[in-house]
Amino acid sequence: EAGVTQSPTHLIKTRGQQVTLRCSPISGHTSVYWYQQALGLGLQFLLWYDEGEERNRGNFPPRFSGRQFPNYSSELNVNALELEDSALYLCASSSDRIPGNTIFFGDGSW
Amino acid sequence: AQTVTQSQPEMSVQEAETVTLSCTYDTSENNYYLFWYKQPPSRQMILVIRQEAYKQQNATENRFSVNFQKAAKSFSLKISDSQLGDTAMYFCAFMKPSNAGGTSYGKLTFGQGTILTVHP
Repeated sequence: EAGVTQSPTHLIKTRGQQVTLRCSPISGHTSVYWYQQALGLGLQFLLWYDEGEERNRGNFPPRFSGRQFPNYSSELNVNALELEDSALYLCASSSDRIPGNTIFFGDGSW
Repeated sequence: AQTVTQSQPEMSVQEAETVTLSCTYDTSENNYYLFWYKQPPSRQMILVIRQEAYKQQNATENRFSVNFQKAAKSFSLKISDSQLGDTAMYFCAFMKPSNAGGTSYGKLTFGQGTILTVHP
């Protein structure tokens, strides 16, 4: 069974540009989460989507946005990139049908 | 809001020995989940072990076990027979059930992490 897959693995952007990161959850998972892991700042919760709707949002500016598609895959968009946006972006998925709602992570986009 | 604290920024252990990583958390919830994740240099985030707060029995996964003290809000990870491949950053994490409601539900709150180095 395939795990959480993310693309691209690595990319380079310049300040002011826009970026889209993509995530496919584990088959059967309906929830997708996005986390930012910046150097020295630990893991910060960005967004949670479930059944196509945004359920929760972390303390990030509006230029961080996303969506979840009918097939439960998700996109994270970051507009007007700033230097401090340099980080590893981790996508994760879970299913309410799995006891404990365990969250499984992808390999990240750097 | 929940907080998770890992007071050991770095730990080291000799191969084949045992090491314990500490984690404390703060919550007013009675039902929740606790996790330990491992992040090796490859930066994958790998689930190590999970504990449900309503279970008194400590979780065990092969060489990994936890000491869950609910009243003390402590959740330490013990790694027995340490191997070189255990070298990684270890994160303790807390989660309310996704149907619990409130602004913090459905997400993991992570500690700051502990860098574990296993020496040959």
